[in-house]
Amino acid sequence: DGGITQSPKYLFRKEGQNVTLSCEQNLNHDAMYWYRQDPGQGLRLIYYSQIVNDFQKGDIAEGYSVSREKKESFPLTVTSAQKNPTAFYLCASRDRGQPQHFGDGTRLSIL
Amino acid sequence: QKEVEQDPGPLSVPEGAIVSLNCTYSNSAFQYFMWYRQYSREGPELLMYTYSSGNKEDGRFTAQVDKSSKYISLFIRDSQPSDSATYLCAMSVGGGSNYKLTFGKGTLLTVNP
Repeated sequence: DGGITQSPKYLFRKEGQNVTLSCEQNLNHDAMYWYRQDPGQGLRLIYYSQIVNDFQKGDIAEGYSVSREKKESFPLTVTSAQKNPTAFYLCASRDRGQPQHFGDGTRLSIL
Repeated sequence: QKEVEQDPGPLSVPEGAIVSLNCTYSNSAFQYFMWYRQYSREGPELLMYTYSSGNKEDGRFTAQVDKSSKYISLFIRDSQPSDSATYLCAMSVGGGSNYKLTFGKGTLLTVNP
């Protein structure tokens, strides 16, 4: 089945560690996105990529990094510089001229 | 003023009721409007996608856009307990390479059997 797969579903990080969240899609979509969702705050855009080997900062990129080496993959690294990383992270993709579709998210918690 | 305002609720209705969910926005350049449904601990699921003003119907769901009032609505007829979720409105200025979504904060809906 075609879709967007995020892994793991739950992730725990120790203080000072970097962690990488996986997002894979087999929909052949060019554009991919990372959002952060906090209670009462809605979805906020972290990074997005329109094509392979190119990406742009969203509204809250500080403390995060991404790469887009393959069309189907857009991993997000939460670095130790992100002071408040506990959140629900959502990956999305879209085809040209179509709305975004989302994966099922990764919940990151700090130990 | 926030770009997109959405009443967070919570909204609680009996089964079979008609539900009205609303968002207002300030950016008159928004042209594409979406409604997503999000169940607890899951990603948002696209429900409705409309361009510019007017109505769009899909089964029990009707999306309405009034660009002159900067107001969008989602109506759910014959609501079911399975409709209990958070509903997010979203909108964008364009559909091309600069496409980015601006979301409301979501409305939590509970449909009671």
